[in-house]
Amino acid sequence: DSGVTQTPKHLITATGQRVTLRCSPRSGDLSVYWYQQSLDQGLQFLIQYYNGEERAKGNILERFSAQQFPDLHSELNLSSLELGDSALYFCASSPRPNRDTQYFGPGTRLTVL
Amino acid sequence: AQTVTQSQPEMSVQEAETVTLSCTYDTSENNYYLFWYKQPPSRQMILVIRQEAYKQQNATENRFSVNFQKAAKSFSLKISDSQLGDTAMYFCASPGGGGGADGLTFGKGTHLIIQP
Repeated sequence: DSGVTQTPKHLITATGQRVTLRCSPRSGDLSVYWYQQSLDQGLQFLIQYYNGEERAKGNILERFSAQQFPDLHSELNLSSLELGDSALYFCASSPRPNRDTQYFGPGTRLTVL
Repeated sequence: AQTVTQSQPEMSVQEAETVTLSCTYDTSENNYYLFWYKQPPSRQMILVIRQEAYKQQNATENRFSVNFQKAAKSFSLKISDSQLGDTAMYFCASPGGGGGADGLTFGKGTHLIIQP
C-alpha cells in the first residue's frame, strides 16, 4: 500500500458524459501527478500540481482539467468523453515538486461505452 | 522531448535464475534520476528501484540491482534469484514527461514471466 488513495476504482459511463476522479496523496506529500495508461499510448504524464498550484502539463487534452484543493487532495475532470478515453488513470504523489520518488495510487479504471 | 526505450517486449526465465531487463533513455538534463517500476496483474504501480545520475555507485535493493551507464544512457535492471511473484510488467522511467521536469516519461514496458 503506497498511501495514495484513488476513488472510484471503476467507472463506466457513456460517450459525451463528464466524470470526476479523486486522489488523496500520501500524508505530507505536497505534489500530485496524474497519468493515463492506455493500450495504444502506454503510460503518459498528464499534469502536476504542487501545493495547490499547477506546476507542469504533459499530454493532457483540453477536455480534461484538474485541480488541487487546500487539503491537498486532487480531482481530475474528464468531459465530453470519447471511446478512446477508456484507460487506467493513476494519481501519484511526492513530498516536493521535483527530484522526488513518485508513489502511485491503485488507479481508476474508466470505461467509456 | 525525453524518450525511454525498452527493447524487450517480453522475457521468460525459470524460477531462481537471474534476468536483466534493458532500458535506454535520452535526456538533456545533467542532474537527473531514473526509476524502475513494477506493475503486477493487480495493475498497481510499485517502485522497484531508483538511481541518482550523480551517484557512481549502482543502486541495489535486495535482489534488485541496476547497471547504470551514464555515458551510454543505459539503465538496466538485474533481478537475482527470480521468484514467481516477480512476474509482472516492468517499466523504466525518467523525469521529463513534457511541459516540465517532473512528470515521468515511461518506456513501453517489458513483460517478465517467471516459470516454475
